[in-house]
Amino acid sequence: DIVMTQSPDSLAVSLGEGATISCRSSQSVLSSSNSKNYLAWYQQKLGQPPKLLIYWASSRESGVPDRFSGSGSGTDFTLTISSLQAEDVAVYYCQQYYSTPYTFGQGTRLEIK
Amino acid sequence: EVQLVESGGGLVQPGGSLRLSCAASGFIFSGYWMSWVRQAPGKGLEWVANINQDGSEKYYVDSVKGRFTISRDNAKNSLYLQMNSLRAEDTALYYCVRDSFYYGSTAGICNSWGQGNLVTVSS
Repeated sequence: DIVMTQSPDSLAVSLGEGATISCRSSQSVLSSSNSKNYLAWYQQKLGQPPKLLIYWASSRESGVPDRFSGSGSGTDFTLTISSLQAEDVAVYYCQQYYSTPYTFGQGTRLEIK
Repeated sequence: EVQLVESGGGLVQPGGSLRLSCAASGFIFSGYWMSWVRQAPGKGLEWVANINQDGSEKYYVDSVKGRFTISRDNAKNSLYLQMNSLRAEDTALYYCVRDSFYYGSTAGICNSWGQGNLVTVSS
C-alpha cells in the first residue's frame, strides 16, 4: 500500500497570511502513461463531510477559490493557501488514487493564529 | 444537485452484520464509480471499497476483504455495503462517495460526499 505522510500535523496562521501543507507518498504517484500525478486534496470542516479541493495534484475543483493551489510531482506535493480566510479553518487531507487501496494522509489541522 | 443519503447504520455487537444503503439523486448514477469511505471518531479518513459503473469491478482495503461486500443497483440509484463479522475497529462514520468523472476511466477522485452514517460495533 502507498503510505501518505503529511506535515505538519497542525498549523496556526494569521488571517491574510499564507499557509503551506506538505504531503509525501511512499512511492511515486506519477503515471508514465499520461504524465499525471494521481493526488488529490480535501478540506474537512468541523461536523461536515470532506470537500474536494484539488485533483491531478494541481487542478482546482470547480467553485474552489483561487487562493487554493496545489503543486508537486512524483512523491512530494504541496497545498498552498495564499491568503488565509476565517472560513479556511479545517482539517486538510491529501489522497493518492494511483493504486488501490486509495490512501489518505493523516490530516493537517489548520487554525487561525 | 448531487445528493447522497446514507442509511442502515446503528449499534451492532461484535461479530454481527449490517447493510448500509446510499440513495443517490441529482446525477446519472449508472455513469459513475462509487465508493465507501469511513472515518473513525476523531480520526482521519480511510477508503474502504469502490465499484465501477456496472458493478463488474470491485476493490477493497485489506482490513475488510472477505467481510464487506460493495454492490449497486443502477435501476434503484442505490449503493450498498454489506458488512459481516463486524469488529470494534469498524466503528466509524461511513460516507457514500461519488467519483468525479462521468464514465471516467480514472477512479478514486472523491467528488461528492454524503453526510455519513454512523456504525458502532460494541457489546
